[in-house]
Amino acid sequence: ILNVEQSPQSLHVQEGDSTNFTCSFPSSNFYALHWYRWETAKSPEALFVMTLNGDEKKKGRISATLNTKEGYSYLYIKGSQPEDSATYLCAFTNTGNQFYFGTGTSLTVIP
Amino acid sequence: EAQVTQNPRYLITVTGKKLTVTCSQNMNHEYMSWYRQDPGLGLRQIYYSMNVEVTDKGDVPEGYKVSRKEKRNFPLILESPSPNQTSLYFCASMLRGQVFNQPQHFGDGTRLSIL
Repeated sequence: ILNVEQSPQSLHVQEGDSTNFTCSFPSSNFYALHWYRWETAKSPEALFVMTLNGDEKKKGRISATLNTKEGYSYLYIKGSQPEDSATYLCAFTNTGNQFYFGTGTSLTVIP
Repeated sequence: EAQVTQNPRYLITVTGKKLTVTCSQNMNHEYMSWYRQDPGLGLRQIYYSMNVEVTDKGDVPEGYKVSRKEKRNFPLILESPSPNQTSLYFCASMLRGQVFNQPQHFGDGTRLSIL
């Protein structure tokens, strides 16, 4: 079992604030790192699939960076909105077949 | 609409009574997988399948069986359910083949309670 850690566990921010959180994973035998957004009572939805060291991906106000050499990825949300409230999951794979998920960062955006 | 469909969505049953949770995808994805979600733990992979007739154990396969007789279906079988299998289960599928590094698509989840 590979260890994937996410921090912080939970986060409360005011509407309009920018925020970021971290996913740490083993730095050896990297294949890909996935980010998902999971709203309560729904299914996780894909945000990004990151594969190369130094990758930066962006979707609207959400962006992510990847450092495979040191084993971390950051997810940034610019100008948080209440609809951004969700749990953000990262998943590491060293083979493309088996996935190891972190416990997630629960984000609450206060209007 | 492209989707992963799980059934049932909710089930309360008793220890030892065999049950099957079905999973079907309409996206012609080669890869399918089952996860369980428990409080304080991340999604943990139970089994995955790279293609028809190919299945492999994930991190927590004990007490579960799967089969992949058709590309679209990947049922999860609990032959003799026990209370420690009470959990939220997700099925997921993913495109592979010539296209690498695609995301997983998740079903809506099945909440199982085993008394």
